[in-house]
Amino acid sequence: GQQLNQSPQSMFIQEGEDVSMNCTSSSIFNTWLWYKQDPGEGPVLLIALYKAGELTSNGRLTAQFGITRKDSFLNISASIPSDVGIYFCAGHEGTYKYIFGTGTRLKVLA
Amino acid sequence: DGGITQSPKYLFRKEGQNVTLSCEQNLNHDAMYWYRQDPGQGLRLIYYSQIVNDFQKGDIAEGYSVSREKKESFPLTVTSAQKNPTAFYLCASSGRRGFKNEQFFGPGTRLTVL
Repeated sequence: GQQLNQSPQSMFIQEGEDVSMNCTSSSIFNTWLWYKQDPGEGPVLLIALYKAGELTSNGRLTAQFGITRKDSFLNISASIPSDVGIYFCAGHEGTYKYIFGTGTRLKVLA
Repeated sequence: DGGITQSPKYLFRKEGQNVTLSCEQNLNHDAMYWYRQDPGQGLRLIYYSQIVNDFQKGDIAEGYSVSREKKESFPLTVTSAQKNPTAFYLCASSGRRGFKNEQFFGPGTRLTVL
């Protein structure tokens, strides 16, 4: 099945640093979703984007829906240890299926 | 509280036995999904259902079966035909709020076949 290209695959950062990750697709999407998954838990929806160019924030998290509708970006500002986890993007094109990225593993060094 | 529940959290079964994983949602969502996640991997779609009494195979449906007799419930059976059933299984549901589509996940069931 199709998967979105998500980068970086993993990253180690110092507490307090800003983090950026992105997701790209060969297909156009109407919706981009960003999730965080803690070990042994289900993914939790962080941010949903519905319009090309849209910029949406949720606390220290900011996500953008790319102008081409084929990419999306997630930024985390001033990272803290509890930001550790796996971040997934997902694209939705109007059918009932969601296409997921391969995930970015974030580790924060105190 | 609205949400998705999966039970049990951990499940152990002997090889060759069928096992059914439960998924219930009270979000009034029409669509429900089952995904499989292997260690260090992303999510792979097993089955999805757009409406009661209807479901479609996803990318890795072989060895699995589902039913959708009620809007709230979408149980997954892992059959003995599934060659490598040990994995983390995630149930999800999605719905529309106006033009907005959102998908939410349950807490997952970790299945270990001994």
